[in-house]
Amino acid sequence: QKEVEQNSGPLSVPEGAIASLNCTYSDRGSQSFFWYRQYSGKSPELIMSIYSNGDKEDGRFTAQLNKASQYVSLLIRDSQPSDSATYLCAVGYMDSNYQLIWGAGTKLIIKP
Amino acid sequence: NAGVTQTPKFQVLKTGQSMTLQCAQDMNHNSMYWYRQDPGMGLRLIYYSASEGTTDKGEVPNGYNVSRLNKREFSLRLESAAPSQTSVYFCASSEWGGPSPLHFGNGTRLTVT
Repeated sequence: QKEVEQNSGPLSVPEGAIASLNCTYSDRGSQSFFWYRQYSGKSPELIMSIYSNGDKEDGRFTAQLNKASQYVSLLIRDSQPSDSATYLCAVGYMDSNYQLIWGAGTKLIIKP
Repeated sequence: NAGVTQTPKFQVLKTGQSMTLQCAQDMNHNSMYWYRQDPGMGLRLIYYSASEGTTDKGEVPNGYNVSRLNKREFSLRLESAAPSQTSVYFCASSEWGGPSPLHFGNGTRLTVT
């Protein structure tokens, strides 16, 4: 059973600080990694995708992938109250066809 | 630009009733998906359609059927609703069935009593 694990939180971070969200996965053959943001009562929306080891930056967001340790993280710099949401990690791998496994999400609260 | 449109937004059913959730996308995407989301659990795939004319079971297909009516539309049917099907249902689409981003509809909150 392939799994994606996230700390459910809530993770409370002061406004302006760096929020660090982590995700571990069980399948070493995983090839694609995604972070989605989901506001309460809304649908998930893609923030970042990352496919190779290292860091990928997009504005205030940085995704970090370490395939050897099987974890992917999301850093949010200069956290804003509008960043308060649940962050979902999704990991893709090839079986007979492409499969996407989702973590249960980490609830992030940015305190003004 | 509507993206992915789901109807209805809310639905209450009695055990044993049937209903169809409708989904349409206007992004010319090839692949479409139906997920359910329950508290404390990740999104779970019910059925997907990699391309027009094909459908495949996902992780939790029991109690559901789907129809890929055309490239735009992908419906989910509950033939005999059960309380265990109380959930939030999301339709999603992607350009193709590999590692391309998913675009989600606004969701349907279904309660089965």
